[in-house]
Formats: sequence, C-alpha cells, structure tokens
Amino acid sequence: AQSVAQPEDQVNVAEGNPLTVKCTYSVSGNPYLFWYVQYPNRGLQFLLKYITGDNLVKGSYGFEAEFNKSQTSFHLKKPSALVSDSALYFCAVRDPNNAGTMLTFGGGTRLLVKP
Amino acid sequence: EAQVTQNPRYLITVTGKKLTVTCSQNMNHEYMSWYRQDPGLGLRQIYYSMNVEVTDKGDVPEGYKVSRKEKRNFPLILESPSPNQTSLYFCASSRWLTVGNYGYTFGSGTRLTVV
Repeated sequence: AQSVAQPEDQVNVAEGNPLTVKCTYSVSGNPYLFWYVQYPNRGLQFLLKYITGDNLVKGSYGFEAEFNKSQTSFHLKKPSALVSDSALYFCAVRDPNNAGTMLTFGGGTRLLVKP
Repeated sequence: EAQVTQNPRYLITVTGKKLTVTCSQNMNHEYMSWYRQDPGLGLRQIYYSMNVEVTDKGDVPEGYKVSRKEKRNFPLILESPSPNQTSLYFCASSRWLTVGNYGYTFGSGTRLTVV
C-alpha cells in the first residue's frame, strides 16, 4: 500500500529565509508525487508535481521540490519565504500500479512565516 | 470556469437526521472522490468513483453512502449522522487517464457539525 509521511506538524520560518517542508513516501512502483497548499477556508490548490525526468521540479508561487529516490523523499522548498506563504501544505503520492485510490495524502504541515 | 462545486459550505445538524452534501464538476472528469479532513489526521478518503455507476470504498467509508448516476455529480449521503462525523469534507475530481499530469481539482469544502 502507498503511504506518505510529513514528519513536522508545523514549520516556523522568518520572512526572507529559506523554507523546507519535508515529505517521505512509500510505494511499490515509481511514484507520482504532488504538493498541494490549503489557505484558510479554501480547498486544496495544486502547487507542483513530479512524474518523471528532472529531480528538481518548479511550481507555483516560487516553490520547488526535489525528488530523491534513494531517500524516498520529496521535500518542498522556497529560497525566500513570504508571510503570505503561511498555509497548510499537503504532500501526496500516487502509485501508478494502484488504480483505485489514486492519491494518498500526508497529514499536512502548517507553515508559519513570521514578519 | 473549470471547478468543483460543493454545497453547502457550512452545515450544523442533529444526530440521526439524514443529510446530503452535493458535489458537481464541470470538467467531464471520470474520477471523483470524497475526503474528510481532521486535525492531525490529514485527508482520508471516504469513497471514490471511477466513472458513472462505479463506486468503491476508501479508507473510512463507515457511516457514509455515495452514488454516481451522472458523470458530473457525486453526492455524499449521511443516513444517520453522528458527532464523530463532524469534520471538514472535500470533494475532488480528476480526468482518469491524466491524473498523473494534473492531480485533483478540489472543491472549497463543507464544514459539517453534528450535535
């Protein structure tokens, strides 16, 4: 079965500093990996994805993520955090060999960027 | 505008009173799914549907029903709601063959309180 772990419930960072939100996964095949962001009182919004190819993928709002197959990780990063980046972030994985459940989500990490 | 529409956004009900949360998408997506979001537990899948008249249980289906009579609609039914079903609910949809490219499109959520 596929699974995703986000080991940090909350990440605090000062505005202008780099940020990292961690994600590790477990699938039987080659994974499809996603990051979503949830702002208060809103649904989840797609940020970026890794399917194949370059291990560093770039997404919306200046975010990027690095796929590391040996460490089974897909950490979300941004070089310079903004207060407006404060939100709840979800990592998700899909095992292409598992047709039914499609995406499995991690527990979410709350990012708090302080001025 | 391509979107997933959920109604209502907020609902307070009493134990045992049947309710339906509607979900509709205008993107001709084959795949639709319901999730519940609880603090510390992330997103957990309730039910999903791969196409019209094809539904299956997710991770936490107890106490819920769904139907998929039309491609665009995927209502969530709580026949006899209980307080442990108090949660934030999200509907999501995806084109089946390209979920790897685009992931899900999410609705804005329904906050349900059962007293």
